[in-house]
Amino acid sequence: AQTVTQSQPEMSVQEAETVTLSCTYDTSESDYYLFWYKQPPSRQMILVIRQEAYKQQNATENRFSVNFQKAAKSFSLKISDSQLGDAAMYFCAYGGGSNYKLTFGKGTLLTVNP
Amino acid sequence: ETGVTQTPRHLVMGMTNKKSLKCEQHLGHNAMYWYKQSAKKPLELMFVYNFKEQTENNSVPSRFSPECPNSSHLFLHLHTLQPEDSALYLCASSLRQGDEQFFGPGTRLTVL
Repeated sequence: AQTVTQSQPEMSVQEAETVTLSCTYDTSESDYYLFWYKQPPSRQMILVIRQEAYKQQNATENRFSVNFQKAAKSFSLKISDSQLGDAAMYFCAYGGGSNYKLTFGKGTLLTVNP
Repeated sequence: ETGVTQTPRHLVMGMTNKKSLKCEQHLGHNAMYWYKQSAKKPLELMFVYNFKEQTENNSVPSRFSPECPNSSHLFLHLHTLQPEDSALYLCASSLRQGDEQFFGPGTRLTVL
């Protein structure tokens, strides 16, 4: 069974600074997807970024980028120029297997300090 | 506002009540999901429907009964719940099973 581990229950960052959230996963498959989701206090879960395992190039979306290390099974999220609106719970998720079920980590609560 | 809506947003029910949660997606997706989110626990996948057919039941107690009449609507029928069932219930959809999922705002359920 796949597992997703987010080792940082909480993180904080100063506004305009950069922060990196860690995620590791365990799988025996070669074809899968990885996602970062954001859940602000309003509770609406929003997709931040997606990475296909077959792609070596790290995905980027504006201020959000990932460091995907397939051999190490690591998928960290970097947020540059942090903004107050980035404060949220961030979930790392793995999608794979015969039915591509998503497996979520426990989440990292990010606080952005003004 | 995403293309996935859930009603009601908040629900308080007694253990003997019967209630239903509704999810609707306006994205033309073919797969729909129910998740349970409890405090300090990972998101728990409950059910998956793909083209109206249930493809996953993650050992969910029978007091939770899903229904998917078409690809746009998903229900979760609740009966004889326990206080430990209090949680945020999230619905999601994806174009195909395995694609990125789009989530609704959730229903905050409290069982007294």
